[in-house]
Amino acid sequence: EAGVAQSPRYKIIEKRQSVAFWCNPISGHATLYWYQQILGQGPKLLIQFQNNGVVDDSQLPKDRFSAERLKGVDSTLKIQPAKLEDSAVYLCASSSRNEKLFFGSGTQLSVL
Amino acid sequence: DQQVKQNSPSLSVQEGRISILNCDYTNSMFDYFLWYKKYPAEGPTFLISISSIKDKNEDGRFTVFLNKSAKHLSLHIVPSQPGDSAVYFCAASVGSNFGNEKLTFGTGTRLTIIP
Repeated sequence: EAGVAQSPRYKIIEKRQSVAFWCNPISGHATLYWYQQILGQGPKLLIQFQNNGVVDDSQLPKDRFSAERLKGVDSTLKIQPAKLEDSAVYLCASSSRNEKLFFGSGTQLSVL
Repeated sequence: DQQVKQNSPSLSVQEGRISILNCDYTNSMFDYFLWYKKYPAEGPTFLISISSIKDKNEDGRFTVFLNKSAKHLSLHIVPSQPGDSAVYFCAASVGSNFGNEKLTFGTGTRLTIIP
């Protein structure tokens, strides 16, 4: 079974630039999550989708971050404009009923 | 406000000995707890979990203990193996609604097994 796919693996941008991350969850998983992991901290939930609807985006900085889940499958997370403090690993995860979260390998973002 | 705390950033253990990783939480609403393991350049992978109705759960070499009154849980690995070297995250949620989990993670403990 294929895992959660994320791209790109690494991204380096300058502050005030825009960046987008892509996630393809495990086939059939209705729930998709985006987590932000800053160095030395645990993953923090940014947004949770159930199919193509948002369940929880209470910790998403909506002035600069946006996310969508096209047709309830793939998802993109965008940052515009990026700040230095956005440097982190962005993890996508998916799950289905009676299953634990499966995480992708993440996208490491460096904002210079 | 750090609701899940792992106060030891790192731990080194001799191969074959017991590794004990600790986790404390402050939110009394948490009733489901998980441990995740993370290798470099990979996403976290689920290791073991425990519901608040239990005080112990065992899976092979891994055992998780929960002390609700102290709001404390620990992960025991016996015997420790070199492949256990990784970062271990403690996580908690309100309810175990599989497929709709909202996990709060600790900051992680880097475990190094010395051959």
